[in-house]
Amino acid sequence: GAVVSQHPSRVICKSGTSVKIECRSLDFQATTMFWYRQFPKQSLMLMATSNEGSKATYEQGVEKDKFLINHASLTLSTLTVTSAHPEDSSFYICSADRGSSYNEQFFGPGTRLTVL
Amino acid sequence: DAKTTQPNSMESNEEEPVHLPCNHSTISGTDYIHWYRQLPSQGPEYVIHGLTSNVNNRMASLAIAEDRKSSTLILHRATLRDAAVYYCILTSGGSNYKLTFGKGTLLTVNP
Repeated sequence: GAVVSQHPSRVICKSGTSVKIECRSLDFQATTMFWYRQFPKQSLMLMATSNEGSKATYEQGVEKDKFLINHASLTLSTLTVTSAHPEDSSFYICSADRGSSYNEQFFGPGTRLTVL
Repeated sequence: DAKTTQPNSMESNEEEPVHLPCNHSTISGTDYIHWYRQLPSQGPEYVIHGLTSNVNNRMASLAIAEDRKSSTLILHRATLRDAAVYYCILTSGGSNYKLTFGKGTLLTVNP
């Protein structure tokens, strides 16, 4: 149980286009979902926290107009990278929290974004 | 969140036990100790967590020092599939949901 999927797993796009990444909790309802970014040989960096039906909370330094997050339901959150540029190329990972008292998070497999 | 300190890398041989240390000297009484691991090109995977007592599950054991200022993740018999970056993370539970990832420990398992 506690499986999180992401789609697509890999995407290549041209500079200036927008890319949408989906994150789904397949067998549980996620009270909170998180979006992380990971550059090569670096650790995960939290970008934002989202709760179903409310606006996402972005970490300092993350542009909310560039990284649009929609948490439409308890099982789906989307991250849209708007007007992507080569510096946005990264590994984007989502996770979901099902509300346990010790905050265990279940991670998706990640989405590799390459902007040409 | 309180900070953790881990060695950058460790090496082990296949089928031998591995002890991955983590220091968290500023841990508070309500902080949980979590371990996650990340295999290459994958999202992190939950390994184990604990508060005060030692914990065992099918993946690993977690030994927590009596003063809680350090802990050790124990892989009883390392396999090649255990090669990953291991992250030791503290969370305060309740409404503080964030996981703050440090650099972790890169575990190499030799055949």
